[in-house]
Amino acid sequence: DADVTQTPRNRITKTGKRIMLECSQTKGHDRMYWYRQDPGLGLRLIYYSFDVKDINKGEISDGYSVSRQAQAKFSLSLESAIPNQTALYFCATSADRGQYTGELFFGEGSRLTVL
Amino acid sequence: QQQVKQSPQSLIVQKGGIPIINCAYENTAFDYFPWYQQFPGKGPALLIAIRPDVSEKKEGRFTISFNKSAKQFSLHIMDSQPGDSATYFCAASKGGATNKLIFGTGTLLAVQP
Repeated sequence: DADVTQTPRNRITKTGKRIMLECSQTKGHDRMYWYRQDPGLGLRLIYYSFDVKDINKGEISDGYSVSRQAQAKFSLSLESAIPNQTALYFCATSADRGQYTGELFFGEGSRLTVL
Repeated sequence: QQQVKQSPQSLIVQKGGIPIINCAYENTAFDYFPWYQQFPGKGPALLIAIRPDVSEKKEGRFTISFNKSAKQFSLHIMDSQPGDSATYFCAASKGGATNKLIFGTGTLLAVQP
């Protein structure tokens, strides 16, 4: 089983709908992240959380919100989806091991299409 | 100043060739440069990383070359194999901070048999 599990893997929705992408991890890591991948733009950080009570905006947080329900669970919500939020979304985790040793562990992605 | 510019966007080589992917950065505070490898349908995974106190780092067939004065770093894949076909992302951060990683735009590599 994958250490970082994302659901759903694929979702097609309509403009204006509320969408939630869920992430759960069995790695025991405190730090969790949501990234967005677009062709030609690489990976961009949406939100991150260093522990259950910590939520931080990333590079492109507008139009998104997150919830850290437990150490192992971090969900991403689109309150009112719009077509330019069509993208591949990745959840990632990392351990707090100090500087220069940080490694991101990614899930397999959730492909979202907003019509 | 926060960008990491990656080239080429795509690359096709024959088996056994040596593909080279280049990245350039502007922020001189960056001091940690990882490369991530992503296979189709999978998330990226850390491949190799370098700090600017060395000019080269090798792990198996993968080598990072680092030129601090030019603010450039590159990934070389020796004796490339079809199984190396993937998308490669360079990245940079200050202090290795995982929440501050700036990713390049990615290079789609195809290694033909």
